[in-house]
Amino acid sequence: DAGVIQSPRHEVTEMGQEVTLRCKPISGHNSLFWYRQTMMRGLELLIYFNNNVPIDDSGMPEDRFSAKMPNASFSTLKIQPSEPRDSAVYFCASSRTGQNTEAFFGQGTRLTVV
Amino acid sequence: DQQVKQNSPSLSVQEGRISILNCDYTNSMFDYFLWYKKYPAEGPTFLISISSIKDKNEDGRFTVFLNKSAKHLSLHIVPSQPGDSAVYFCAASSGTDKLIFGTGTRLQVFP
Repeated sequence: DAGVIQSPRHEVTEMGQEVTLRCKPISGHNSLFWYRQTMMRGLELLIYFNNNVPIDDSGMPEDRFSAKMPNASFSTLKIQPSEPRDSAVYFCASSRTGQNTEAFFGQGTRLTVV
Repeated sequence: DQQVKQNSPSLSVQEGRISILNCDYTNSMFDYFLWYKKYPAEGPTFLISISSIKDKNEDGRFTVFLNKSAKHLSLHIVPSQPGDSAVYFCAASSGTDKLIFGTGTRLQVFP
């Protein structure tokens, strides 16, 4: 299995620009998560999908952030417009639905907004 | 509101000695706890877990202890090796596969 695949690995963009991060979960996994890693908050859960449906988006910081999962093999996290404080590493993870399961993470996208 | 807390941002241990990483949680509904390890430029990888019906789980050099009354868990690594140098994240869930993570502890194992 290829694992969770994220693209791009690095993204540098100017403030005000739209940024789209992409994720392909592990085949057969029903749950997908987007996390953001910062020094202050560690791994912060942004949004959680189950069977392609957003279940919990309470961690999405602002309306500038949106996420979609059009099918079981693809998800996007979009920031529009981007701001310097959005600079962080964004991780996508997937898991099998159920209790007592672990999530598998992608390698992350390092976003820098200048 | 940080439901999972790792109060030590860093820890330095000599090779061969024991490393003890600590984690506290506030939500009494959490019933499953995990530790993840993260190397630079990589995603976190699962290390070990424990269910709330247990107080200890061991896997080789790694042991996780759970104290439900204190809402505290710890990860013991014995003996510590230089390859264990990484950031360790504690995570918890309550009846679902949604994981809440702590802020992480950077472990450095020196020769």
